[in-house]
Amino acid sequence: QQQVKQSPQSLIVQKGGISIINCAYENTAFDYFPWYQQFPGKGPALLIAIRPDVSEKKEGRFTISFNKSAKQFSLHIMDSQPGDSATYFCAAGDAGNNRKLIWGLGTSLAVNP
Amino acid sequence: EAGVTQFPSHSVIEKGQTVTLRCDPISGHDNLYWYRRVMGKEIKFLLHFVKESKQDESGMPNNRFLAERTGGTYSTLKVQPAELEDSGVYFCASSQGGGNQPQHFGDGTRLSIL
Repeated sequence: QQQVKQSPQSLIVQKGGISIINCAYENTAFDYFPWYQQFPGKGPALLIAIRPDVSEKKEGRFTISFNKSAKQFSLHIMDSQPGDSATYFCAAGDAGNNRKLIWGLGTSLAVNP
Repeated sequence: EAGVTQFPSHSVIEKGQTVTLRCDPISGHDNLYWYRRVMGKEIKFLLHFVKESKQDESGMPNNRFLAERTGGTYSTLKVQPAELEDSGVYFCASSQGGGNQPQHFGDGTRLSIL
């Protein structure tokens, strides 16, 4: 049973559009929610992370929205660019569990020029 | 600053053979994690070292897997004997000590068991 559910599995967006990826979790002990970006042949690279005491965090074109009551969080990529084409993973961790990360299945994003 | 280094980048072995994967974390990072992604599945936690001590090995699939981190620097993950279901990409990550530190990942070792 997946503890972190991610959707959609794949996403195609036009250049300049908004990419939205959603994740939901079950374990209320999670207190750290990172998003990772992965290019082919490379390892996941931390993009942005949020803690449950804030509802939104923005870094450049990337924004995480967090809904604690619904146990959901999402990644928004504004003004999507072809260079954003990659696989995106959401994850969750908790300090009481050595911060091991529980991962979503990943979303393959393609941004068309 | 050098990132997390893993090698080999790719290994192809036959069922029953032994393979050893190596991870060099970022210098000074006390925490070292191993994860695995099997095709079509999510990335899964295998184990966590703090310096040379195994903090959590709850994700290790079975006793064919042995991880070590001698001296608290690099780590090795040995699979012996390898089985077909061990195929996947093995990632290593490291983070600084203390809470709330981001994990930095290597590029992984793609392991194929024939």
